[in-house]
This record gives sequence, structure tokens and C-alpha cells, in this order.
Amino acid sequence: DAGVTQSPTHLIKTRGQHVTLRCSPISGHKSVSWYQQVLGQGPQFIFQYYEKEERGRGNFPDRFSARQFPNYSSELNVNALLLGDSALYLCASSLAEWTGGTEAFFGQGTRLTVV
Amino acid sequence: DQQVKQNSPSLSVQEGRISILNCDYTNSMFDYFLWYKKYPAEGPTFLISISSIKDKNEDGRFTVFLNKSAKHLSLHIVPSQPGDSAVYFCAASANSNNDMRFGAGTRLTVKP
Repeated sequence: DAGVTQSPTHLIKTRGQHVTLRCSPISGHKSVSWYQQVLGQGPQFIFQYYEKEERGRGNFPDRFSARQFPNYSSELNVNALLLGDSALYLCASSLAEWTGGTEAFFGQGTRLTVV
Repeated sequence: DQQVKQNSPSLSVQEGRISILNCDYTNSMFDYFLWYKKYPAEGPTFLISISSIKDKNEDGRFTVFLNKSAKHLSLHIVPSQPGDSAVYFCAASANSNNDMRFGAGTRLTVKP
């Protein structure tokens, strides 16, 4: 069975541009979460979606948005990119509606570099 | 505001010995704790978890201990193997929300 897949694996963008990152969850998983991992830190929660509805949002500016599609895949969009947005973006999927109390399965991440 | 802290950025142990990784948290609402292992160029992989109603959970060579009064948990790996060399993240969540908080990670090196 395929795990969580993310695309692209690497991306270089210029300040001010927009970026879209994509995630396909494990088959049967309806919950998708997005995390940002800056070098030297642990992953930071950005969004969680379940059944196409936003169920959680971390402390990120409105430049960050996401959505979930009927097939449970998800997109993370970041507008007006800043140098500080350079990070590894991780997608995680899980079976449960609430991530609290269950394990999440992570993809390999998308490495975004903003120059 | 860092609610989950891993104060040791790195740990080095000899193969066959015990590895102990520590984690502290500040939010008393956390009721579920997880450990993830991360190899370079891969996403974090779930290792073991513990609910706040327990103080110990064991899975093969891995045991997690939870001390709620001290807001501290630890991961014991016995015996340590070179393949255990990775970055280990401690994470915590509250059942009432979807915000899983991670520590900064501890890089474990197991020497042959």
C-alpha cells in the first residue's frame, strides 16, 4: 500500500511568488494535516482537514491556506512568499477525525527554498 | 511558545547499551504523547505512544514512561542498535483539538 505522498519533493521560489504543495493521504484516511519544519526545530502545526472541512489551524498568517478535495487529497497554498517560509513542509494523514489520541503518518515532505 | 521541550539536542551511546531520550511539557491539557523517529530525507515515522491514563507503554525494545506530576516523559531503547541512529521527536496533543505539538528533536547516534 502506498504511504502518504507529497509533491513536489523540492521547490525553489522567489520572494513574493505563490506556491502550491500537494499531498495524497493513505488510502482510507480522511484526515490530512500540514506541518512546517524549519531547520533545527520540530514540525509546527499549520492546518488540519477532515472530510473537506478545516478542523484546526495553527498560528500562521493568512498567506497560508489549504483545502481538501473529495478524494481526501489536499493542497497547501502560500502567497507572497518570504525568505522565512523556507522550510520542509510535511503532510500527515490519519484515520481519526481528531488527531489528538491517534498516530499520524507522514509523507517525505516538500523542501521549499525561497530566494 | 514552546510547550514541548527536548533539552538535549544530541545523544551518543554504544551499541547494546540503553538510550534514554527525555521530553518535558508545560501544557497540562495534553493527554496523548507520541515519539517519532526521523531519518534524513524522510518524513517522521511513528514509533510509540502513551495515553495520560498510563505511566508506561512498551513495544519490543522501546518503552515510553510518563510522569504526569513532573510533566515529563522519556523513551528508553534497549538494547540500542546502529540502525536506531536518527532524530527522535517527542509530540503531544490534547483530545480536544488537532494541534499536535512537537519538540525540537534529539539526534541519537548509536556507535558500533
